[in-house]
Amino acid sequence: AQSVAQPEDQVNVAEGNPLTVKCTYSVSGNPYLFWYVQYPNRGLQFLLKYITGDNLVKGSYGFEAEFNKSQTSFHLKKPSALVSDSALYFCAVRDYDDGNNRLAFGKGNQVVVIP
Amino acid sequence: KAGVTQTPRYLIKTRGQQVTLSCSPISGHRSVSWYQQTPGQGLQFLFEYFSETQRNKGNFPGRFSGRQFSNSRSEMNVSTLELGDSALYLCASSSPGTASNTGELFFGEGSRLTVL
Repeated sequence: AQSVAQPEDQVNVAEGNPLTVKCTYSVSGNPYLFWYVQYPNRGLQFLLKYITGDNLVKGSYGFEAEFNKSQTSFHLKKPSALVSDSALYFCAVRDYDDGNNRLAFGKGNQVVVIP
Repeated sequence: KAGVTQTPRYLIKTRGQQVTLSCSPISGHRSVSWYQQTPGQGLQFLFEYFSETQRNKGNFPGRFSGRQFSNSRSEMNVSTLELGDSALYLCASSSPGTASNTGELFFGEGSRLTVL
C-alpha cells in the first residue's frame, strides 16, 4: 500500500526567505508524486507532479519539487516565499504500477509566511 | 472548461439523518473519486467510480455509499449520520486510461457537512 509522510505540522518562514515543505513516500512500484495546496474553505489545487524524467519539477506559482529516489523524498520548495503562500500543503502519491487511480495523501503542512 | 462542481457547499444535519452529496466532473472525465477531510484524520479515500462502476473502496462503513451515472456525474450518500461524519467531502475527477491522463486529480470546492 502506498503512503506519504509529512513530518512537520507547521512551517513558519519570513516573507522573502526560501520555503521548504518536506515529504517522504512509500510505494511498492514506481511512484507518481503530487503536491496540492488548499486555502481555507476551498478544495485542493494542483501545484505540480513527478511522473518520470527530470528529478527537478517546476510547477505553478513559482513552486518546484525535487524527486529523490534513494531517499524516497519529494520536497516542495520555493526560493522566495510570499504572504499569499500561507496555506495548507499536501503531498500525495499514487502507485503507477498497480493500475488504480487512488491517491494517498500526507496529513498536510500548514505554511505560515510572516510579513 | 468548467471545473468540478459539488453541491451543496454547506449543509447541516442531525444525528440519524441521511445526506446525499452531488458531484459533476470536468467534461470528458470518467473517473470520480470521493475523499473525506477532517482535522484529525486528514484526507481519507472513500471510493472511486469509473464508467458507472465502483473500482476502489476505502475503509469506511457501509453507511457510506455512492454511485455514478451514465453522464459521469456522481453522488455519495451517508445514512444514519453520526457526529463523527462532520467533515469536508471532496470530489475529484480525472481521465484515466487516456493519452491525456497524467495522473493528477482535479478537485471540487467540497461539501462541508455538519452533524449536530
